[in-house]
Amino acid sequence: ETGVTQTPRHLVMGMTNKKSLKCEQHLGHNAMYWYKQSAKKPLELMFVYSLEERVENNSVPSRFSPECPNSSHLFLHLHTLQPEDSALYLCASSQAGSTSYEQYFGPGTRLTVT
Amino acid sequence: ELKVEQNPLFLSMQEGKNYTIYCNYSTTSDRLYWYRQDPGKSLESLFVLLSNGAVKQEGRLMASLDTKARLSTLHITAAVHDLSATYFCAGMTTDSWGKLQFGAGTQVVVTP
Repeated sequence: ETGVTQTPRHLVMGMTNKKSLKCEQHLGHNAMYWYKQSAKKPLELMFVYSLEERVENNSVPSRFSPECPNSSHLFLHLHTLQPEDSALYLCASSQAGSTSYEQYFGPGTRLTVT
Repeated sequence: ELKVEQNPLFLSMQEGKNYTIYCNYSTTSDRLYWYRQDPGKSLESLFVLLSNGAVKQEGRLMASLDTKARLSTLHITAAVHDLSATYFCAGMTTDSWGKLQFGAGTQVVVTP
């Protein structure tokens, strides 16, 4: 595997379900991010982990819970979601402290909440 | 807080003609990025601009940065159908833990 991978690619869940999104980066980076992309809205940063420590939490509802067990893996745990949470969830990674801080994105998980 | 504005939000291009997408930002941004997104796909990094006057070119795309005017432009030369996509600019400040602030995106459709 190369770059940033995300699983599953598509997910349909009911409002009472619990599920998790997984992200893995194979770039040797030390920072990882979760973004939400809804129709007709700009990309929204949800969480930032740098050196496995959460450094940003952008007022995200508690029904979204991130976990970063090591610098290569990032999870987003979902529970009791609402229909408005349906969106494309993108994971990204970068090298914190580098000159460019360029972020590389995974393919995304298309989430539908019914 | 850094705010990023793109315009236009939609651009219908004719093949063979030249066009420009503008990206204005509200406060000092140490880095400026351009991404491309095809429908249903992820974001592909196009350019990273790190200093005033920076200009980068790849094929028919050229990006530039004017930090004094707080403006970046993405110029498309002789548009072709393959360039149809949504283009995002994003800014970042050094004290933001690598947080990208995205513009709304410019949807580009290239027609014959």
